[in-house]
Amino acid sequence: QLQLQESGPGLVKPSETLSLTCTVSGGSISSSSYYWGWIRQPPGKGLEWIGSIYYSGSTYYNPSLKSRVTISVDTSKNQFSLKLSSVTAADTAVYYCASLTVTNLGFDYWGQGTLVTVSS
Amino acid sequence: SYELTQPPSVSVSPGQTARITCSGDALPKQYAYWYQQKPGQAPVLVIYKDSERPSGIPERFSGSSSGTTVTLTISGVQAEDEADYYCQSADSSGTLVFGGGTKLTVL
Repeated sequence: QLQLQESGPGLVKPSETLSLTCTVSGGSISSSSYYWGWIRQPPGKGLEWIGSIYYSGSTYYNPSLKSRVTISVDTSKNQFSLKLSSVTAADTAVYYCASLTVTNLGFDYWGQGTLVTVSS
Repeated sequence: SYELTQPPSVSVSPGQTARITCSGDALPKQYAYWYQQKPGQAPVLVIYKDSERPSGIPERFSGSSSGTTVTLTISGVQAEDEADYYCQSADSSGTLVFGGGTKLTVL
């Protein structure tokens, strides 16, 4: 069973770049069975898909965030990462990493989430 | 941009049946997924591909689809089912979208 764990700074200044890493255990990030994704949830609000990546490096981004988002995979560390540039207070949210199994394409394993606050 | 519309809240008494709807123009062509989220926890997938139930999810959770609306049905609701529920699908370009969420209250 996959386990995912987010890590990264909990506080980012406006206009800077938010960087988070998701460490995967219980399976290989190079597996063709999964896509890997990032989802966020502002406090008290709903879920928003940020983007996803396949082990091959193919990426898929939410058009509303595409100009600021980069998702990458580090197979040597069994990790994938999120970078979100030029952040504002509106980017304050709990950020989740999750896996999508290619057979059902639902987000079936999630990290616990990490709160990132954008503030000076 | 594409939107999935859910009712903000649904209330039901224990043992009754709860139905949560999700509407979207692309739903006839795109699968829907349902997630349960309890306070302070990550979401949990409860239904995939409109009506399939992942292993470990109780049989009282079921999903159905009709035209532009998909429905999550929880039969014999229990107190532990009180949570926020989100539908998720994709638009015609493959962009993943979540509904706004429905708060299920067990009276």
